[in-house]
Amino acid sequence: ETVLTQSPATLSLSPGERATLSCRASQSVSSYLAWYQQKPGQAPRLLIYDASNRATGIPARFSGSGSGTDFTLTISSLEPEDFAVYYCQQRYNWPRTFGQGTKVEI
Amino acid sequence: QITLKESGPTLVKPTQTLTLTCTFSGFSLSTSGVAVAWIRQPPGKALEWLALIYWDDDKRYSPFLKSRLTITKDTSKNQVVLTMSNMDPVDTATYYCAHRGGSVKYFDYWGQGTLVTVSS
Repeated sequence: ETVLTQSPATLSLSPGERATLSCRASQSVSSYLAWYQQKPGQAPRLLIYDASNRATGIPARFSGSGSGTDFTLTISSLEPEDFAVYYCQQRYNWPRTFGQGTKVEI
Repeated sequence: QITLKESGPTLVKPTQTLTLTCTFSGFSLSTSGVAVAWIRQPPGKALEWLALIYWDDDKRYSPFLKSRLTITKDTSKNQVVLTMSNMDPVDTATYYCAHRGGSVKYFDYWGQGTLVTVSS
């Protein structure tokens, strides 16, 4: 299976700061990678798909980049509601897999 | 608008079979390219993809759980059913169903999830 390794596990930042999250795949997933945000007690929400496309309604402060095996989610200026856990997910290989998550905390 | 909702038992005993139903609205599972997936999340842990069924009835399973899983759809009822046999305490998790669109081929709509506890 394609293992997605996210780093760091926890990112401690303040509102207004820039967040940079990494997702590395054990084999190429081309550009077929998504990012989700999950808050406590809620289902995940799709943020970015195909590495760099924002999903409907997602603010412009969220951006994604990368291809092949290395991907990045950037939050340009953290808002209070952005503190959550973020997961990457690939759809290039079966089975579909998720990373283990990065928690962005205050 | 698209909505999904999971239903099923909240508590199952070890060795029993779990049956979960995803009832959805706002889309048809007979539309080309559309799929519904099941994904679970043990308490405090990461998401794990389990199974997916396409509009054309093609089915995909996690190879680690394939022998225990069955996914089916009832297009007329707008439902997708997941069965998982031989439940174990390690299967305790929140189980989500999610919509995968024909254009955005990722999980863009999710149910609220249902917590299933496996305990005697």
